[in-house]
Amino acid sequence: EPEVTQTPSHQVTQMGQEVILRCVPISNHLYFYWYRQILGQKVEFLVSFYNNEISEKSEIFDDQFSVERPDGSNFTLKIRSTKLEDSAMYFCASSREQIGYTFGSGTRLTVV
Amino acid sequence: GQQLNQSPQSMFIQEGEDVSMNCTSSSIFNTWLWYKQDPGEGPVLLIALYKAGELTSNGRLTAQFGITRKDSFLNISASIPSDVGIYFCAGQLHKSGAGSYQLTFGKGTKLSVIP
Repeated sequence: EPEVTQTPSHQVTQMGQEVILRCVPISNHLYFYWYRQILGQKVEFLVSFYNNEISEKSEIFDDQFSVERPDGSNFTLKIRSTKLEDSAMYFCASSREQIGYTFGSGTRLTVV
Repeated sequence: GQQLNQSPQSMFIQEGEDVSMNCTSSSIFNTWLWYKQDPGEGPVLLIALYKAGELTSNGRLTAQFGITRKDSFLNISASIPSDVGIYFCAGQLHKSGAGSYQLTFGKGTKLSVIP
């Protein structure tokens, strides 16, 4: 069964450093998303991407965040200058239609 | 923003028992979804509901989309040890003309099954 692949599975970074989280969505999917989950809390929407541009973003997705689809297969989330409160699981998701996402297994980001 | 109230927060049940959990919202959604999350993994879609009043089954799982479009429940019958995990409801409000269908998640129900 096709799956969304995320790398790395765990990233530790120092506060103030830039991180790039990588995702390979399912190949024929058109809609791409990033969500995050702070430990023990609910999953929260960050941003959606369609037709090579951001289609919607939440208030969490401030100027420190950016997304890119640099080629036909990868979808990245960049955090420019990490803060302690950015520590969370980050999930990439993709969908062909607007309903029925497939989530990746996540990247656990730890900011120290 | 939209908020989903999911209950109960956690449940401890005996293997073989039935389980019920629900979600309510102060605003309507066009689609309700139920996901299961195992430790260290991403959410996996269990059931999607598209119409108010719809009742859908997937094996031992049954879910309903409330008539008011503001609530949904998930039932698991004859629970087994591998049902352990966190169950999340999620609502989706489609915006016409926009290429975004973000999900709003509940806080989850942690299910523990005692063999």
